[in-house]
Amino acid sequence: QSALTQPASVSGSPGQSITMSCSGTSSDVGAYKLVSWYQLHAGKAPKLLIYEVNERPSGVSYRFSGSKSGNTASLTISGLQSEDEADYYCCSYAGSSTYVFGSGTKVTVL
Amino acid sequence: QLQLQESGPGLVKPSGTLSLSCTVSGVSISRSTYYWGWIRQPPERGLEWIGNLHYNGNTYYSPSLVSRVTISVDTSKNQVSLRLSSVTAADTAVYYCAGFGDFDAFDIWGQGTMVSVSS
Repeated sequence: QSALTQPASVSGSPGQSITMSCSGTSSDVGAYKLVSWYQLHAGKAPKLLIYEVNERPSGVSYRFSGSKSGNTASLTISGLQSEDEADYYCCSYAGSSTYVFGSGTKVTVL
Repeated sequence: QLQLQESGPGLVKPSGTLSLSCTVSGVSISRSTYYWGWIRQPPERGLEWIGNLHYNGNTYYSPSLVSRVTISVDTSKNQVSLRLSSVTAADTAVYYCAGFGDFDAFDIWGQGTMVSVSS
């Protein structure tokens, strides 16, 4: 069970849209519609942004959206804002009631 | 409002056992359909899923940790516990507890607690 692969960093200017990928295998990302995304700000509790590939919990900004194609999931942040500067992690169900997280992407707002 | 708070020793000796508690407030564990999970983040590294405790009492662990980890619940204290045995420096990390609810995702997290393994 290897970690899902995410780009180490993504950057963008305020107002721009950015997309980060989350690459897995046919045993995890590709097999289930159970991909979630989390935002981590240092010293704060992680926050769920997206669940079941593209669903947003209430209270999460519409600027966050998710998608999946094959073994790769993606998170897009539109209208980038300074408060979006954080680390982002994907997570996928991997079968047999186990889960695997991604390697994490650091988002920098230029 | 559901809240989670991790607690436990911040320093554990190599070969010892790491023991953490997660106090759940806002819901009774014994009457909840939440699953309870532990996730960790070593310094400068990504998140790693440790395991889940289902409300039916079943536990599921990461294949890489299954031989050393136990997750249990103390309903009298409304706590979920983590025990990790035979620790090494590689187990140094921030440890998070999380609730896995209706969203099929970890929708509520504690703030995490740092545990260092060192003599």
